[in-house]
Amino acid sequence: TQLLEQSPQFLSIQEGENLTVYCNSSSVFSSLQWYRQEPGEGPVLLVTVVTGGEVKKLKRLTFQFGDARKDSSLHITAAQPGDTGLYLCAGVGSSNYQLIWGAGTKLIIKP
Amino acid sequence: KAGVTQTPRYLIKTRGQQVTLSCSPISGHRSVSWYQQTPGQGLQFLFEYFSETQRNKGNFPGRFSGRQFSNSRSEMNVSTLELGDSALYLCASSPLQGGSRSPLHFGNGTRLTVT
Repeated sequence: TQLLEQSPQFLSIQEGENLTVYCNSSSVFSSLQWYRQEPGEGPVLLVTVVTGGEVKKLKRLTFQFGDARKDSSLHITAAQPGDTGLYLCAGVGSSNYQLIWGAGTKLIIKP
Repeated sequence: KAGVTQTPRYLIKTRGQQVTLSCSPISGHRSVSWYQQTPGQGLQFLFEYFSETQRNKGNFPGRFSGRQFSNSRSEMNVSTLELGDSALYLCASSPLQGGSRSPLHFGNGTRLTVT
């Protein structure tokens, strides 16, 4: 069974600080998706990383897929209150193409 | 383009009752997936329907069932409700089956409270 461990589970920081969220597994994924969910809404896809070592940037958010395609990270530079939300990673299984979800990181950015 | 619509937004039910939740996918999307989200368990996959057929199923008891209509709209039913069924139920649509070959588009969910 493929599992995705996401850390930290909860993070509360001041506006302007940097942070990194991690998704780790012992399994290989064909790709990995990152979603953000704001209170009262459903998750919204931020990015999909496909190639080992791939780095994608979305404004102040930087996503990286590990070389071995077993892990991924999300780095936020100069966090803003608008970044507050639940960040979810979802790996695409290499054998059955089903999504494997991390438990999520609840991020609070204090003004 | 209208997004994924879930109705109702909130529901309060009593133990033992049953409930039906509805999901209208984005026009043209043939896949509808259902998820249960709780603070303790995160996002748990219930099942996926594609072209009116259940294609994948998560590890939930038979009290949880669903169906998809010819217009791709989907319903989820939970019978004999238990307190532990209290959760946010999310529906997601995508053009292709599996959620991996095309991104999932989520609705805003139905918040079910069982008392």
